[in-house]
Amino acid sequence: DQQVKQNSPSLSVQEGRISILNCDYTNSMFDYFLWYKKYPAEGPTFLISISSIKDKNEDGRFTVFLNKSAKHLSLHIVPSQPGDSAVYFCAASAEGGTSYGKLTFGQGTILTVHP
Amino acid sequence: DTAVSQTPKYLVTQMGNDKSIKCEQNLGHDTMYWYKQDSKKFLKIMFSYNNKELIINETVPNRFSPKSPDKAHLNLHINSLELGDSAVYFCASSQDGRAGNTIYFGEGSWLTVV
Repeated sequence: DQQVKQNSPSLSVQEGRISILNCDYTNSMFDYFLWYKKYPAEGPTFLISISSIKDKNEDGRFTVFLNKSAKHLSLHIVPSQPGDSAVYFCAASAEGGTSYGKLTFGQGTILTVHP
Repeated sequence: DTAVSQTPKYLVTQMGNDKSIKCEQNLGHDTMYWYKQDSKKFLKIMFSYNNKELIINETVPNRFSPKSPDKAHLNLHINSLELGDSAVYFCASSQDGRAGNTIYFGEGSWLTVV
């Protein structure tokens, strides 16, 4: 039962353009959403997050949008840079109980930014 | 200084062997985790510990035994290794387990069972 899904395995964009990575979830108990970036042979690194009480969070070139009614979030990177080429994981967490600290990850989207 | 460090980074071993992966965090966090990334690239939680106490055991076979001697360390011991245990194992930590706290990952340990 995959509760967090990233339906695009890969995305290719031109340097300077916008990259949009999408993520869908099914568990309505999720109340916090995060994006992680991963380079080969390294661990995931935190990029940006959003609480379920917000619909947008921005940090420099990165913006995350949350549509709770659609159970959908997206990560926008503007402008895209070649150094952004990596695997991007969407993750979700729920407060409390047996979910303590647990992140549920999507399967990742490989972003390639061409110079 | 690496915030979450795990050793070894690469490990090749035979079926049936017992092996350990060590993890240490220098962030002063209370909560530590082990995640597994399988051949299909899914990252899934295995265990979480808060201040040396087991919080989550995500239906992991009991061949896997985490040990937390103190809150800065969470080691993973695996008995009787099987081919299906081949994966990347990530240690991680966070201030505590509340949703919204950033979880910091180590670089991963690539385990290959032959």
